[in-house]
Amino acid sequence: AQKITQTQPGMFVQEKEAVTLDCTYDTSDQSYGLFWYKQPSSGEMIFLIYQGSYDEQNATEGRYSLNFQKARKSANLVISASQLGDSAMYFCAMRAGENNSGTYKYIFGTGTRLKVLA
Amino acid sequence: DAGVTQSPTHLIKTRGQHVTLRCSPISGHKSVSWYQQVLGQGPQFIFQYYEKEERGRGNFPDRFSARQFPNYSSELNVNALLLGDSALYLCASSLVESTDTQYFGPGTRLTVL
Repeated sequence: AQKITQTQPGMFVQEKEAVTLDCTYDTSDQSYGLFWYKQPSSGEMIFLIYQGSYDEQNATEGRYSLNFQKARKSANLVISASQLGDSAMYFCAMRAGENNSGTYKYIFGTGTRLKVLA
Repeated sequence: DAGVTQSPTHLIKTRGQHVTLRCSPISGHKSVSWYQQVLGQGPQFIFQYYEKEERGRGNFPDRFSARQFPNYSSELNVNALLLGDSALYLCASSLVESTDTQYFGPGTRLTVL
């Protein structure tokens, strides 16, 4: 079964420190994509970073990096130099094929609520 | 460039009624997906449309339907509303269907009384 697991319901980090948000996934597809989104209290989902299953290098976008360990099926998000504005809900998501039918499905985890402390 | 837009922003309906939610993708994007996000949970995938054809469907009952128009905008319809349909409905667009990142709109908050 295709699944995303985020085991940290809530995390605290001190301002200017780095934090790692955990994500593990399960799929039998060879080709898939992994995403991280940020959802502030306003509700809008903001795209942060993407990693394709065939990408050999870890994705980076500014202060965000994705620690992709394919063998362990993990795709952890690392936020460096945390800022107060980083306080939000963070979702890990996967795009996977539907039994190679040519259609796709997006699966989200349950999210991690991050609170940055001043 | 304008992002994904959704209308209305809020909606209150009663059980048994029908609702139509609308979404306009980012200019140039040809794929639209719909998600339901119940309070405190992650988004649940409902549909993906690309070039007016359904390309993906989540585990939702037949009361949920959608369509995509020639201008790539989309409607999500929900019939015979239940209390459990109360949620934030998110629309996301991407350039193509399979490999591109999805960009989300602000959502429509549906309350069913």
